[in-house]
Amino acid sequence: DTEVTQTPKHLVMGMTNKKSLKCEQHMGHRAMYWYKQKAKKPPELMFVYSYEKLSINESVPSRFSPECPNSSLLNLHLHALQPEDSALYLCASSRLAGGVYEQYFGPGTRLTVT
Amino acid sequence: KNEVEQSPQNLTAQEGEFITINCSYSVGISALHWLQQHPGGGIVSLFMLSSGKKKHGRLIATINIQEKHSSLHITASHPRDSAVYICAVYGGATNKLIFGTGTLLAVQP
Repeated sequence: DTEVTQTPKHLVMGMTNKKSLKCEQHMGHRAMYWYKQKAKKPPELMFVYSYEKLSINESVPSRFSPECPNSSLLNLHLHALQPEDSALYLCASSRLAGGVYEQYFGPGTRLTVT
Repeated sequence: KNEVEQSPQNLTAQEGEFITINCSYSVGISALHWLQQHPGGGIVSLFMLSSGKKKHGRLIATINIQEKHSSLHITASHPRDSAVYICAVYGGATNKLIFGTGTLLAVQP
């Protein structure tokens, strides 16, 4: 199983809402990533988890709160977002972090903030 | 100047044509990814390579470490190959993935 799954596929939320994005992999990977991708732009790294611990936070605003409850699951909690946060949010995983390990990407969650 | 440059930015081909997409990078790298993204969709890893050449079906990827250049070739192109192709390198001081800006490929029947 080389699949990374993400739910929901689409999400529309108001600026005062709280919502969560979910990512799951069952490949035994110990590194998981959140990326944000705006239209016609490459993905931008947001967070890296290694062995369920946050290892990289690319100066992401606190209205994005990641969580890694176990080695298979990665969440991104959203609160008080702005319209400019509308984007495709991609999750990825790799065997380990920090080295040359192929990253497997999920299908993404298309987020619209109204 | 971006650390990873791709050319062309846009490419239109007729079905059956041989296609080449180029990637040049300016940082020292450990490996290079070729990725595919269909419109509105997630990203699929096509290849990861650090030397030489890899082939999978109609896709071939090559890398020349000395020249800091990689190419992705598609033989006998098909409309279903229409997508954005992204070159990304593991490099720089942090060895994170550094993405190119992508090549939008449209294969017309």
